[in-house]
Amino acid sequence: GAGVSQSPSNKVTEKGKDVELRCDPISGHTALYWYRQSLGQGLEFLIYFQGNSAPDKSGLPSDRFSAERTGGSVSTLTIQRTQQEDSAVYLCASSQRTSGSRETQYFGPGTRLLVL
Amino acid sequence: TQLLEQSPQFLSIQEGENLTVYCNSSSVFSSLQWYRQEPGEGPVLLVTVVTGGEVKKLKRLTFQFGDARKDSSLHITAAQPGDTGLYLCAGSGSTLGRLYFGRGTQLTVWP
Repeated sequence: GAGVSQSPSNKVTEKGKDVELRCDPISGHTALYWYRQSLGQGLEFLIYFQGNSAPDKSGLPSDRFSAERTGGSVSTLTIQRTQQEDSAVYLCASSQRTSGSRETQYFGPGTRLLVL
Repeated sequence: TQLLEQSPQFLSIQEGENLTVYCNSSSVFSSLQWYRQEPGEGPVLLVTVVTGGEVKKLKRLTFQFGDARKDSSLHITAAQPGDTGLYLCAGSGSTLGRLYFGRGTQLTVWP
């Protein structure tokens, strides 16, 4: 498909386990964003990639969270030693432009993470 | 601390009614975007407003950006059940492209 895809769509894990969430951006999009959406909350910014580098990691809530992007395409968000408060929908977005304020971010369907 | 405050948080109305959703901030944004999100899906962009005082119309939806570029509103005329969804406003600063989202307004339109 032509849109942003994310996998898995749902993930149930036990507290303390590590999880990896994957994002496939729209082909050719140089910018990639991760957001987290908790129940009753808006989208919370986590990290932004320009190509393979991450100039803005300011939204990562703790050092248990990390992300990488390879080949300027696929990105993986890793949560180590998951906690119940990590339960949320993790959304990925990509865009074609990174400068200026008129870029459009296209969102994937999200990964619903439940930590038991 | 939420940079963008949306109100109301929930809105339940009958088909045919009009409604307005507000998005307010003490910060100035380069642009402001409105998204609509349906269950199980990611947000989909409805409109981007850039200029202070700008008004954009999308069929029955009217979007306005405040003169000072700190606030915005979304007005829906003659709401329909198909308008049901979570409406999110998001502000863009001048650098790096990250968006600052409000908590959203959950709209339910009953037939």
